[in-house]
Amino acid sequence: AQSVSQHNHHVILSEAASLELGCNYSYGGTVNLFWYVQYPGQHLQLLLKYFSGDPLVKGIKGFEAEFIKSKFSFNLRKPSVQWSDTAEYFCAVTRNSGYSTLTFGKGTMLLVSP
Amino acid sequence: GAGVSQTPSNKVTEKGKYVELRCDPISGHTALYWYRQSLGQGPEFLIYFQGTGAADDSGLPNDRFFAVRPEGSVSTLKIQRTERGDSAVYLCASSPQTGAVSGANVLTFGAGSRLTVL
Repeated sequence: AQSVSQHNHHVILSEAASLELGCNYSYGGTVNLFWYVQYPGQHLQLLLKYFSGDPLVKGIKGFEAEFIKSKFSFNLRKPSVQWSDTAEYFCAVTRNSGYSTLTFGKGTMLLVSP
Repeated sequence: GAGVSQTPSNKVTEKGKYVELRCDPISGHTALYWYRQSLGQGPEFLIYFQGTGAADDSGLPNDRFFAVRPEGSVSTLKIQRTERGDSAVYLCASSPQTGAVSGANVLTFGAGSRLTVL
C-alpha cells in the first residue's frame, strides 16, 4: 500500500517569504499526486494535482509543485506567501492504475505572520 | 447541490450511544467516500461506495462502524456503542465517476462532521 510523509508538522513564515513544504511518498509504481489545503474553518480544497506530463504543476493562488520521480517527492512551493495562505496543507497520493484510495499525509500547518 | 453537504456539523454524544452522520454528495456524482480525521492527523480512508454498494470498506476500524447509501445518493455513516477514541472529524467526499481517480475524477470534500464522545 502507498503512504505519504510530510516533513514538517508546523511552519511559521513572515509575509513575502518563500515557501517549500516537503512531501515524499512510498510506492513503487506510477502514482497520481495531490496537494489539498484547509483554511481555518473551511473544508478541504484541491490546490493542485499531478497525473502525467510536465512534472512542474501549477495550482491556484500562485502555488506550484514539482514531481521528482527519482526522489519520490512532490514538494509544494510558493515564491512569496501572504497572510491569507495560513492554512493546513495535505499531500496525498493514489496509485495510477485501477481503483485506489486517496492516501493522505499528516499535514503541515502553515502560519504566516503579517 | 453545489457542494458536498454534511450534517450535523457538530455532534456531542456520550460513550456508548449510537450516532448517525449524513452526507449529501454533489448531484450526479456516483462515487462517495468517507474519511476520518483525528487531531493532528491527515484524513484516513474508511469506506468507498460505487453507486449503492460499498466497493471497499477496508478502512472501517471495527464492526461498530457501518455505512449505507441505499439510493446511490445520500449516505449515512453509523457508529454503534461510541467510544472516546471515535472522537474525530468525519469527512465525506464524492467524485463524478467510480473507479480510478483521474484528471476528471477528483474528490471533492465536504466540511465534515465533528464528533465528540464524552
